[in-house]
Amino acid sequence: EAEVAQSPRYKITEKSQAVAFWCDPISGHATLYWYRQILGQGPELLVQFQDESVVDDSQLPKDRFSAERLKGVDSTLKIQPAELGDSAMYLCASSPARLAAMFHEQYFGPGTRLTVT
Amino acid sequence: AQKVTQAQTEISVVEKEDVTLDCVYETRDTTYYLFWYKQPPSGELVFLIRRNSFDEQNEISGRYSWNFQKSTSSFNFTITASQVVDSAVYFCALSEANNNDMRFGAGTRLTVKP
Repeated sequence: EAEVAQSPRYKITEKSQAVAFWCDPISGHATLYWYRQILGQGPELLVQFQDESVVDDSQLPKDRFSAERLKGVDSTLKIQPAELGDSAMYLCASSPARLAAMFHEQYFGPGTRLTVT
Repeated sequence: AQKVTQAQTEISVVEKEDVTLDCVYETRDTTYYLFWYKQPPSGELVFLIRRNSFDEQNEISGRYSWNFQKSTSSFNFTITASQVVDSAVYFCALSEANNNDMRFGAGTRLTVKP
């Protein structure tokens, strides 16, 4: 069964350092999402791609976060510089839907748990 | 703004008991979708069900059932004859037609003891 892959699974970094997460969605899925999940809370959308284009990044803290999906396949989320408050689980999800993608089920990866010290 | 409330932070039951997880939502849109996802300890969210705002028919899938009531803005989830493998955090989520965002509740942690 196809799965969304994410790496690394765990990352510990010091504040002010740069960190990057990678996501490989299910093959053929047009839409890709990055979510942040703080411990004890539900996921919050950071950015949504359709193919290589950003559909929505209104919740992405652009002063320190960046995301790209250059070839419309895998994606990278970067934080520079990391802050203590960035400690969270970063989840990637994908969907085969193009139109009204938010109305369709999403397939999630296992996430990257980031700890900033 | 859309909002999802899962008032039950944690629930603990003994195996074979029935359990209901509550979800209350707020929206001004007439067109929206509601979802339930399961997050086991491994971390990935697993899709369970999707329901649109025009379909209030309740649904049953094996031991799982969902009760959607627009009159009370609720979309509750019941597990019948719970099993240890049902232990996880369960999230209710809402997507609106006019807002490109899926808003999740805070989740309910279900522990099923043998």
